Amino acid sequence: AQTVTQSQPEMSVQEAETVTLSCTYDTSESNYYLFWYKQPPSRQMILVIRQEAYKQQNATENRFSVNFQKAAKSFSLKISDSQLGDTAMYFCAFMKPYSGNTPLVFGKGTRLSVIA
Amino acid sequence: EPEVTQTPSHQVTQMGQEVILRCVPISNHLYFYWYRQILGQKVEFLVSFYNNEISEKSEIFDDQFSVERPDGSNFTLKIRSTKLEDSAMYFCASSEAEEGIQYFGAGTRLSVL
Repeated sequence: AQTVTQSQPEMSVQEAETVTLSCTYDTSESNYYLFWYKQPPSRQMILVIRQEAYKQQNATENRFSVNFQKAAKSFSLKISDSQLGDTAMYFCAFMKPYSGNTPLVFGKGTRLSVIA
Repeated sequence: EPEVTQTPSHQVTQMGQEVILRCVPISNHLYFYWYRQILGQKVEFLVSFYNNEISEKSEIFDDQFSVERPDGSNFTLKIRSTKLEDSAMYFCASSEAEEGIQYFGAGTRLSVL
């Protein structure tokens, strides 16, 4: 079974600074998807970024980028130029493809606070 | 922008009572999911649903749970006889394709007293 570990329950960062959230996972699969979801207070989870394991290039979405290290089974999220609106719970998630309706396996989340 | 809608946002019920949590997935999506998050724990998969039948379910999804798509828009999760340990945040999600991005609702907080 796959597991996802987020070792930082809480983090804080000054506005305009850069912060990196850590995620490691365990799987025997060679092909899979990895995600970062953001959940602002009292709002739904929204997708921040998605990485396909067979792609070596790290995914980037505006101020959000990942450092995907397949051999190390590490998938960290870097937020550049942090903004107050980035304050949220961030979940790392894993998906194994080709298994029917493919459920997401989540980590416990990291609560990020951006401080003015 | 289309979004997944869940009602109610908070449901309080007595142990042993039946509850129905409701979700309206994004209209052109075909794959539906329920997840739950007990306070302080991980978001856990409960069940996935496609073509009017369950595709996959976790060990959590026992005989007390059922899902239904009663019409063309709603997707419901029923807990037949709630237990204290069912207290959690329940998230509905939908996706357009089998490995597509899952879009989540804001969740229903279920409190079993």
